[in-house]
Amino acid sequence: GAVVSQHPSWVICKSGTSVKIECRSLDFQATTMFWYRQFPKQSLMLMATSNEGSKATYEQGVEKDKFLINHASLTLSTLTVTSAHPEDSSFYICSARASGRMGTQYFGPGTRLTVL
Amino acid sequence: AQKITQTQPGMFVQEKEAVTLDCTYDTSDPSYGLFWYKQPSSGEMIFLIYQGSYDQQNATEGRYSLNFQKARKSANLVISASQLGDSAMYFCAMREANYGGSQGNLIFGKGTKLSVKP
Repeated sequence: GAVVSQHPSWVICKSGTSVKIECRSLDFQATTMFWYRQFPKQSLMLMATSNEGSKATYEQGVEKDKFLINHASLTLSTLTVTSAHPEDSSFYICSARASGRMGTQYFGPGTRLTVL
Repeated sequence: AQKITQTQPGMFVQEKEAVTLDCTYDTSDPSYGLFWYKQPSSGEMIFLIYQGSYDQQNATEGRYSLNFQKARKSANLVISASQLGDSAMYFCAMREANYGGSQGNLIFGKGTKLSVKP
């Protein structure tokens, strides 16, 4: 299957700082990328959908000014958690999908964020 | 109403035996896709198998097969000859071609935790 990388795999930061997470599709061009958040023992919660070169579409309840998403190229999307607080601690997973509505989504390995 | 329902929070299976993980779905979209993902303790979501709503035959991928019963709106995952490495969370997901929000994003079930006993 296709490969999606995510960096960093884990990060610990102080409250009030910003953290950037990178998501790359390594062997295909991803017209659409998704960012998910997962709390312990729960399913994935979609945060936002991004298309290359356009603004991200955020799900209801997700603050777009807090979770900045940039999809600058067909292989790279970034999520920046601005002014992070302890409640932002979570497992963040990106996913990439090639063109076509029924295209399979491939997931990155995830980033575990801990805000102290 | 939930779009994807996985009724088994946890399952145990003996090594080398087969196991079925249940998944039912709800949609009025005639065109949709069903997916199964495995999430081991490392956290990575691993794609296992895909079934399209118009596919005539059940999907198979190695030891994984999907028991697709369209009239019942069920898409159960069957794992044959279970291995210790199969112990993980398993998520069923659906994408609706026409009615899906966010350009047809995946809708996930709550997952089933499978434990394979030696």
